[in-house]
Amino acid sequence: DVKVTQSSRYLVKRTGEKVFLECVQDMDHENMFWYRQDPGLGLRLIYFSYDVKMKEKGDIPEGYSVSREKKERFSLILESASTNQTSMYLCASSLGTGPRRKLFFGSGTQLSVL
Amino acid sequence: GENVEQHPSTLSVQEGDSAVIKCTYSDSASNYFPWYKQELGKRPQLIIDIRSNVGEKKDQRIAVTLNKTAKHFSLHITETQPEDSAVYFCAASDRNYGQNFVFGPGTRLSVLP
Repeated sequence: DVKVTQSSRYLVKRTGEKVFLECVQDMDHENMFWYRQDPGLGLRLIYFSYDVKMKEKGDIPEGYSVSREKKERFSLILESASTNQTSMYLCASSLGTGPRRKLFFGSGTQLSVL
Repeated sequence: GENVEQHPSTLSVQEGDSAVIKCTYSDSASNYFPWYKQELGKRPQLIIDIRSNVGEKKDQRIAVTLNKTAKHFSLHITETQPEDSAVYFCAASDRNYGQNFVFGPGTRLSVLP
């Protein structure tokens, strides 16, 4: 079974800190995604990557950046954390397009910015 | 870009009754519509999906219908059970990146014993 692992389940940071959220998948998936989940807003796409060193902005990229140096790892970076970035962050991966675009999610990182 | 609306935001049904969740999408180029279920404290998981060349798909107690003309699709759960209690998200594929999706805001389904 596909495993998508996020490095932290809970994280507390201070305003202005640089924050790294790590995600690793073990099934050689091409696509990786970062979503944030807020009540009543569903899952909103921050960034995604369809290949190593490739990245594309999603719907809400402001205040975030990403890094994909290796196929299995996709990092989300908050350059200067702000309180409005307090949220649940979900990483996901998928094999490709067409029938292979089922998303496999990690268990999430609940980030609190104080 | 694509916009997905979902109704209702909350739904309570008696165990054994049916539940219906409805979604509308804006981009006629979307061609794939998955549904994800997220139980409390757990990660979302795909439960069923439908492609634009199909009008209906069933998997045991779950079915999804798609009306391309009206740009809406629905999730139907029959004979609901307590383990169906969860948040359900519909999604539509992005026209530019077929592997991307726009999600609806979610429906919290409670199945009452």
